[in-house]
Amino acid sequence: DAKTTQPPSMDCAEGRAANLPCNHSTISGNEYVYWYRQIHSQGPQYIIHGLKNNETNEMASLIITEDRKSSTLILPHATLRDTAVYYCIVKRGGGATNKLIFGTGTLLAVQP
Amino acid sequence: EPEVTQTPSHQVTQMGQEVILRCVPISNHLYFYWYRQILGQKVEFLVSFYNNEISEKSEIFDDQFSVERPDGSNFTLKIRSTKLEDSAMYFCASTLDRGLGTEAFFGQGTRLTVV
Repeated sequence: DAKTTQPPSMDCAEGRAANLPCNHSTISGNEYVYWYRQIHSQGPQYIIHGLKNNETNEMASLIITEDRKSSTLILPHATLRDTAVYYCIVKRGGGATNKLIFGTGTLLAVQP
Repeated sequence: EPEVTQTPSHQVTQMGQEVILRCVPISNHLYFYWYRQILGQKVEFLVSFYNNEISEKSEIFDDQFSVERPDGSNFTLKIRSTKLEDSAMYFCASTLDRGLGTEAFFGQGTRLTVV
């Protein structure tokens, strides 16, 4: 699975959009981009995933560049409860299992 | 919303003792996983389980570890003889299948403290 690079930390003001970047320059054509988050040692929580088109759900939007070498997770109106570590994971399908390989992620601190 | 439940939330055990961590995955899911997170470190994959057998395991998952699905609902992780370095949060997860686009649901974890 392709390696990802994320900034170690970011701040965001409450109510503003949080834009979390991820570089995955070695991504291959059959690999998806997934985002999970972990709030203070709780279990990781799925946010969103995509292949090449932009995706949106009730939690967030995922913008993937045309060359697929980077992506941005957007939380449109960040709240204090969005303070968490956000993980960008690139995953290839068709393997033996659906295991996830976590990196160190980005610690997003939402400030009041 | 369906959820993965884990018990106990916190377990303290003496070094050398056996521990069993329990998980109830989401009822219609077919793939089950254990991950661990040592304090301040990354979440690490331990093992995946499908159709009553291990489908993949990491090098962390040595002979001291075993997994079992003793009935139709529970999924357990056993550590036969605990070491101090086994102290960590252990997360159970489940997925409906292994295809792309499948989201994993995680439990809230069991904090294992080996003293």
